Amino acid sequence: GENVEQHPSTLSVQEGDSAVIKCTYSDSASNYFPWYKQELGKGPQLIIDIRSNVGEKKDQRIAVTLNKTAKHFSLHITETQPEDSAVYFCAASRSGSARQLTFGSGTQLTVLP
Amino acid sequence: DGGITQSPKYLFRKEGQNVTLSCEQNLNHDAMYWYRQDPGQGLRLIYYSQIVNDFQKGDIAEGYSVSREKKESFPLTVTSAQKNPTAFYLCASSIVPTNYGYTFGSGTRLTVV
Repeated sequence: GENVEQHPSTLSVQEGDSAVIKCTYSDSASNYFPWYKQELGKGPQLIIDIRSNVGEKKDQRIAVTLNKTAKHFSLHITETQPEDSAVYFCAASRSGSARQLTFGSGTQLTVLP
Repeated sequence: DGGITQSPKYLFRKEGQNVTLSCEQNLNHDAMYWYRQDPGQGLRLIYYSQIVNDFQKGDIAEGYSVSREKKESFPLTVTSAQKNPTAFYLCASSIVPTNYGYTFGSGTRLTVV
C-alpha cells in the first residue's frame, strides 16, 4: 500500500519568513496530493491540492510543488503570519483506490511574532 | 450550509463501557471515514464505507464497530475491547471516486475515566 512520509515534524519561523514542508510517497500510481491545515481542537481543512498532471499550483501565499520522478511534493507558505500556526498534513491517493487518502504524520508549524 | 456534524464534542467513557460517536453529513457524499488521532501523531484509519450497507476495516479496526444504514450517517461504536480508546476521533466524507479532498467534521474527544 501507499506510504507517505512528512518532514519536518516541527517547524518554527519568524513572522514574514517562508515555511516549507516536504512529503514523499511510495506508490508511483498515486495521482492526487492534498494538503490539510488543522487548528487546535478542530478537524483538518483542505487548503490546497495538486494532481499529477501539473508540477506546481499557487493560491495566494500558498503553493504546492510536485516531482513525480522523485515521488515527492512540498508545501510552501510565504509571508507567514501568526494565524498560519497549525498542524499541516500531506496526503496521497490514486484514482480507483478503495482506501483513498493516505496521510503523512503532520508538521506543527509555529509562526513567531 | 452543507457539512459534517460530529457529536458529542467531548465524551467520557467508563472502563468496560461501549460508547457511540455520531457522524452525520448533508453533502450527498457516498464515502465516509473514521480516523483516530493521538497527540502529536497523524491520522489512522479505523473504518471506511463507500456505499450504504457496506464498510471495510482500516488499519486499526480492532475494538471498534460501525454501521452504514443511511447515506448521511456513519456512527462509530468504541467497544470495551478497545483497550486504549482515549483519543481524538475524526469523521470525514468524500465523493466517490475520490480524486478530491475529504471534508472533515470537527471531531470528538473521547476520554476514559
